[in-house]
Amino acid sequence: QKEVEQDPGPLSVPEGAIVSLNCTYSNSAFQYFMWYRQYSRKGPELLMYTYSSGNKEDGRFTAQVDKSSKYISLFIRDSQPSDSATYLCAMSAAGAGSYQLTFGKGTKLSVIP
Amino acid sequence: GAGVSQTPSNKVTEKGKYVELRCDPISGHTALYWYRQSLGQGPEFLIYFQGTGAADDSGLPNDRFFAVRPEGSVSTLKIQRTERGDSAVYLCASSLGPVESSTEAFFGQGTRLTVV
Repeated sequence: QKEVEQDPGPLSVPEGAIVSLNCTYSNSAFQYFMWYRQYSRKGPELLMYTYSSGNKEDGRFTAQVDKSSKYISLFIRDSQPSDSATYLCAMSAAGAGSYQLTFGKGTKLSVIP
Repeated sequence: GAGVSQTPSNKVTEKGKYVELRCDPISGHTALYWYRQSLGQGPEFLIYFQGTGAADDSGLPNDRFFAVRPEGSVSTLKIQRTERGDSAVYLCASSLGPVESSTEAFFGQGTRLTVV
């Protein structure tokens, strides 16, 4: 079992839909939780990060972390065709090992106009 | 430049050859990372530099892989005796500081290496 599990999709939704992406993990040491967006043939771009449990909102994006269930989510409201990309969750431990990110496989999202 | 720059964007090499991949981090970023992303997978950690020294190279798959950062800025990932299994996108990232700065890591566009 990999440390971080993420359904690779693909996921296809109509424009304006609410998108839910999620990851599960097994390493209890993870304290930082991130979502990256990666367009085709580009590097990952940080969308949001959360420390420990809780919710964080930024515009149309909401990140949730449930450490008790080892489950994190990213919600995209009013999805747009420009949101079509691969979404990667990433995690790291606190302290000395925090520099090392462990990524999920990524979920490929297509938003259809 | 404003972002992390990686060259070349694409590299095709024959099995057994030696390759060098270059990364120019964001100016002032002391921490630099290399990751490898295989097709359909997320990036996997290779090595972390803090300044000129490799603070953690535990992700390098074997001794054919080596990376340097002699002046604490530009880094070069070197692969000897390339194998077809080395084909992947090699991503470089940089961040302002060391510990607990991974949330601020900015990635380059990657070098797509193909070994034929």
